[in-house]
Amino acid sequence: AQSVTQLGSHVSVSEGALVLLRCNYSSSVPPYLFWYVQYPNQGLQLLLKYTSAATLVKGINGFEAEFKKSETSFHLTKPSAHMSDAAEYFCAVSVDGTSYGKLTFGQGTILTVHP
Amino acid sequence: GAVVSQHPSWVICKSGTSVKIECRSLDFQATTMFWYRQFPKQSLMLMATSNEGSKATYEQGVEKDKFLINHASLTLSTLTVTSAHPEDSSFYICSARVTSGRASTIAGFADTQYFGPGTRLTVL
Repeated sequence: AQSVTQLGSHVSVSEGALVLLRCNYSSSVPPYLFWYVQYPNQGLQLLLKYTSAATLVKGINGFEAEFKKSETSFHLTKPSAHMSDAAEYFCAVSVDGTSYGKLTFGQGTILTVHP
Repeated sequence: GAVVSQHPSWVICKSGTSVKIECRSLDFQATTMFWYRQFPKQSLMLMATSNEGSKATYEQGVEKDKFLINHASLTLSTLTVTSAHPEDSSFYICSARVTSGRASTIAGFADTQYFGPGTRLTVL
């Protein structure tokens, strides 16, 4: 069964600092992996997705993630945090082996950005 | 493109009543939509897969008679919480897969799942 684990329920950084949100996956098939962001009382916005085309995936708002099969990881990074990045971030893996099907989500990581 | 809306955005109801939540794909058609629920400070849990023109597929542990799903058109799926109780209070989020329409012709949009803004249900 496919699953994801997000390490750290809370991450706090200073504005301008590197953002690193960790996600490890488990999948019996080549995975489709996603990062979503959720602002309070809102739905999810897709940041980026891995579909095996390239191991380094660039997303919106300056975020990127690198797929590392040997480490079963898909960590999300951003070189310089902005106050507007404060939100909750979810890593997800496709359950059915497609890029558009059912998803299993990690527990989420709340990112706080300090001035 | 690829906008998904939900209505209402929040609803408060009395215990024992039924509540209908709508999920619409605004500029694309979606043969498949998904319904998730999110309890406070928790992650999203898939409830069911809604298929246009056929019965929904429910995840293990989700009561299909309590959470009625109807996907009557390519742009609309509804979730009805029947005989709601306080434990049904949650944030319900739908998502839709871009299968056709203008958004499907935009690079990166096709075969991707897009989420609605969610509906906050509070049952008193």
